[in-house]
Amino acid sequence: QKEVEQDPGPLSVPEGAIVSLNCTYSNSAFQYFMWYRQYSRKGPELLMYTYSSGNKEDGRFTAQVDKSSKYISLFIRDSQPSDSATYLCAMSSNTGNQFYFGTGTSLTVIP
Amino acid sequence: NAGVMQNPRHLVRRRGQEARLRCSPMKGHSHVYWYRQLPEEGLKFMVYLQKENIIDESGMPKERFSAEFPKEGPSILRIQQVVRGDSAAYFCASSQSGLKNNEQFFGPGTRLTVL
Repeated sequence: QKEVEQDPGPLSVPEGAIVSLNCTYSNSAFQYFMWYRQYSRKGPELLMYTYSSGNKEDGRFTAQVDKSSKYISLFIRDSQPSDSATYLCAMSSNTGNQFYFGTGTSLTVIP
Repeated sequence: NAGVMQNPRHLVRRRGQEARLRCSPMKGHSHVYWYRQLPEEGLKFMVYLQKENIIDESGMPKERFSAEFPKEGPSILRIQQVVRGDSAAYFCASSQSGLKNNEQFFGPGTRLTVL
């Protein structure tokens, strides 16, 4: 079983739609949860960072962590064509140095 | 303030040759991480280094791969006797500290193709 599972998509939505991206994980020791955005042929850039459970909002982006279900989500409101990219979830525990990444979900926002 | 720099951006090698990938962290960052990204797969951690020290190499293949981060100069990921399975995008990230809540900034990656 992979440490982190993420539906690869692809996901295609019309401009203005609400997008929901999700990851599940198996390691209950994970405490740090991140979402990265990666444009084609570029390196990942950090979008959201959350520690432990709860919600975090930043502009059009909301990250949710449900540790009891080992499930994290990223919501994008009022999606824009510029949001078209691959979104990667990543997580880590308090111990060790590794960040574990999902495979990424490819999102296309159609104008 | 320049971001993380990686070179070359593209590297083509024949089987059996050596590949050297370079990473210059952001200014003021002394922690470097190397990841490998295969098609249809997520980023896989390879190694974590601080200046002159390898902190965690648990993700590195035991043979042919090595990494260093000297006191002066960029971090180097070295792959000896490359095989076709080494073809991938290799990303370097840097952070100001090794704390988990410290953001890792990624470079643009080096795409290695082994013929």
